[in-house]
Amino acid sequence: SYVLTQPPSVSVAPGQTARITCGENSIGSKSVHWYQQRPGQAPVLVVYDDGDRPSGIPERFSGSNSGKTATLTISRVEAGDEADYYCQVWESSSGWVFGGGTKLTVL
Amino acid sequence: QVQLRESGPGLVKPSETLSLTCTVSGGSISGFYWSWIRQSPGKGLEWIGYVYYTGNTNYNPSLRSRVTMSVDTPKNQFSLKLRSVTAADTAVYFCARIRPGLRAPFDHWGQGTLVTVSS
Repeated sequence: SYVLTQPPSVSVAPGQTARITCGENSIGSKSVHWYQQRPGQAPVLVVYDDGDRPSGIPERFSGSNSGKTATLTISRVEAGDEADYYCQVWESSSGWVFGGGTKLTVL
Repeated sequence: QVQLRESGPGLVKPSETLSLTCTVSGGSISGFYWSWIRQSPGKGLEWIGYVYYTGNTNYNPSLRSRVTMSVDTPKNQFSLKLRSVTAADTAVYFCARIRPGLRAPFDHWGQGTLVTVSS
């Protein structure tokens, strides 16, 4: 089955930059979407098609995708950014696939 | 603003069928793909499948043998049925809208509903 690999956790101090990766051998050829999920809440789309932002999402959220790794970058991290983050791609034989999720901790 | 809300029993007995409905408000169900996703306690997200407003479906291969999705356009609702449930199906079940476009993301989500499988 198709597996997207994310680090279980990332920690960053307020004001610094957080980078969350999503790995798979052919991910650079796919469109990657990213979701933020705060505890007890539904996921929220923060980046789509590798690097586009939905309306209402701060410019601090950006994304990139090349080769074997897609990356969600959160600049000037705030306490409110603390959440779980999931990458997502469409794979023809598996359908929609989510990464295992990364817990972002703001120190 | 489009809003989605899941509804259905919060407790299902093992071997029985889990049935959930998602009601869409603030927009039409027509023209879109609609999806179900679940999240086991403390775990990540798992895509269950999607249904187009015409009734066409596509399911996660790992659940395909037990899943049926349908749509009721006059009521602006779509539904999920998962047969022969076990404790492993205990999860928060989310419904979501798929943004228009090929391989598009899920841009609107319901709040989720916890379904526990237990006798």
